[in-house]
Amino acid sequence: GDSVTQMEGPVTLSEEAFLTINCTYTATGYPSLFWYVQYPGEGLQLLLKATKADDKGSNKGFEATYRKETTSFHLEKGSVQVSDSAVYFCALFPAGGTSYGKLTFGQGTILTVHP
Amino acid sequence: EAQVTQNPRYLITVTGKKLTVTCSQNMNHEYMSWYRQDPGLGLRQIYYSMNVEVTDKGDVPEGYKVSRKEKRNFPLILESPSPNQTSLYFCASSPSGGNTIYFGEGSWLTVV
Repeated sequence: GDSVTQMEGPVTLSEEAFLTINCTYTATGYPSLFWYVQYPGEGLQLLLKATKADDKGSNKGFEATYRKETTSFHLEKGSVQVSDSAVYFCALFPAGGTSYGKLTFGQGTILTVHP
Repeated sequence: EAQVTQNPRYLITVTGKKLTVTCSQNMNHEYMSWYRQDPGLGLRQIYYSMNVEVTDKGDVPEGYKVSRKEKRNFPLILESPSPNQTSLYFCASSPSGGNTIYFGEGSWLTVV
């Protein structure tokens, strides 16, 4: 079945450091890919998405590019802030087939940014 | 405002006492689903529905029931809750195709 693998955390950075959180997936066809963010004590917020190969999703300084050849959707930010401290989830929604309708999440990566 | 609304947001209940967590969306979405979030396990899908009267099991359906009698509502039913169902629950909805998925704010459920 479909799966999403995120880099293990937790990730601890200093303010203004460069962030990369790796995400790779296994799925047939061209699924939609998402990054969600969960701030402490809150629900899930859509951070960015990409629905086809080579698309780049971006929001709030974060970016991720849909790479079909490497089945990856790595999250990046050039300069993190303390307010970016949260849990980040990579997710996949299949394009069709027997798993259509099944949103699959990675295990989440905890990011802590220090001043 | 487009939103997915869950109730209750917080609940402490006792083992075996039936409970229902409601989920409602105002976007006329075909697709709705339920997830639970547990430390170290991420989010796992419980049930999903592609449209009215169409529901399917996700990864962890045991101990849960759902119904989709109308498009806007997708309640999650715990017929006989047990402590291992203590978790944070999220409802989500999406138009068909799944290119934008909206989540509710979550429901913290504790079963003692």
